[in-house]
Order: sequence, then structure tokens, then C-alpha cells
Amino acid sequence: DAKTTQPNSMESNEEEPVHLPCNHSTISGTDYIHWYRQLPSQGPEYVIHGLTSNVNNRMASLAIAEDRKSSTLILHRATLRDAAVYYCILRPDRGSTLGRLYFGRGTQLTVWP
Amino acid sequence: DTGVSQNPRHKITKRGQNVTFRCDPISEHNRLYWYRQTLGQGPEFLTYFQNEAQLEKSRLLSDRFSAERPKGSFSTLEIQRTEQGDSAMYLCASSRPTGGYGETQYFGPGTRLLVL
Repeated sequence: DAKTTQPNSMESNEEEPVHLPCNHSTISGTDYIHWYRQLPSQGPEYVIHGLTSNVNNRMASLAIAEDRKSSTLILHRATLRDAAVYYCILRPDRGSTLGRLYFGRGTQLTVWP
Repeated sequence: DTGVSQNPRHKITKRGQNVTFRCDPISEHNRLYWYRQTLGQGPEFLTYFQNEAQLEKSRLLSDRFSAERPKGSFSTLEIQRTEQGDSAMYLCASSRPTGGYGETQYFGPGTRLLVL
């Protein structure tokens, strides 16, 4: 399974944009890039996913490099409630590992008031 | 949707005892997953059901662990002869197929197990 590399931690001030990077140099052509986050004492929750094109939803934006070897999760205006561990995950679109998610250690985002 | 629920939320047990956790997925979600999370680590996959069939098991799932989903609805995870190394958060997630790669897994709040 393709691996991802994320910084262990990042910090931001409230109401500022946050760019969370993820490297996935061994990504295959059929791997989707998913982001989940985990707030303290909660289970992970889905944030966004994409394949090649940049994606936007109400929670965040996902910018995918042209060579797909890296991506960036963008929180446009961080709030205190965005403080969480953010996981970048590659998901193959076929094969026996279709069901599972590989989380890694993620990036701990601290948001300062 | 009422969300994925897990019971109990916390469990303290003594080494050697058996424990059982329950997960109720979102209704009509036919896929159900169990993960384990230890402190400072991301969740690790344990096993996966599609309806009542257990389709995938991790090597982390030793023979002391057994999971069932008898009617394709709720699931149970049993740990026999617990060890201190089993102390962790046990997470359940459910999903419905939307073509595989795009499906979202919805997680419950987890059951935190402490083995003394």
C-alpha cells in the first residue's frame, strides 16, 4: 500500500488559512487521496477526497499537484474547532484492500485564539 | 442518520478476562469496519464485513479476537483472555458502496479499553 508523509504538527492562528501538506511519491494512477480528521476523544471524520483535480467542499479544499506526488489540504479560515489530527490516506480503487483505510500518524493541528 | 454507535464507551477489565464490544452502524450501511487505536498512533485496521460476511482480517487480529455480524446489522468484537497490550481505543465504522474509492467511512465514538 502506498505510503504518505505528513508533518507531525502544525500551528495556526484562528481565522487564518491553514495549508496541511502531504507527500505521496509512490502513488499509483488509480489511488484516490482522502483526508480524514480526528477531534479529541472522537472517531475520525471524513473531510474530502480527490483523484487529479482540485476539490472544494464546505469543510475544506484539496489541492493536488500535477504529478500527484503531493497534495495540500486547505482550511480557509481556521477555527478553534478545527484543532485535530489530520490524516492523509491513499485509497486504491480496486483490489483486496479496498475496504481498509491506512491512517499513519497524521498532522496534529493546533489553533491559537 | 443517527450515526454509528458503540457500546460501552469505556471498559476496564483485569488481565485474562473476556470482553465484548458492540457496534451499531448507520442503518442501510452494508459495510462495517473495526479499527484499533493506541495512544499517539492513527487507527489500525482490524477487520471488515460486507453484510454478514467477514471479507478481510488484519494480521493484528490474533486468535484471541473474534468479530461477528450475524444478521448484517450490528457487530460484536470479542477479545478473549485480555492482555495489557490490548488496551486501546476500538473504533467501528460503516459505509455503503458508492463505487469503492469514493465511499466515506463514518466512525463511531469508540470504546476505550483498559486492561489492568
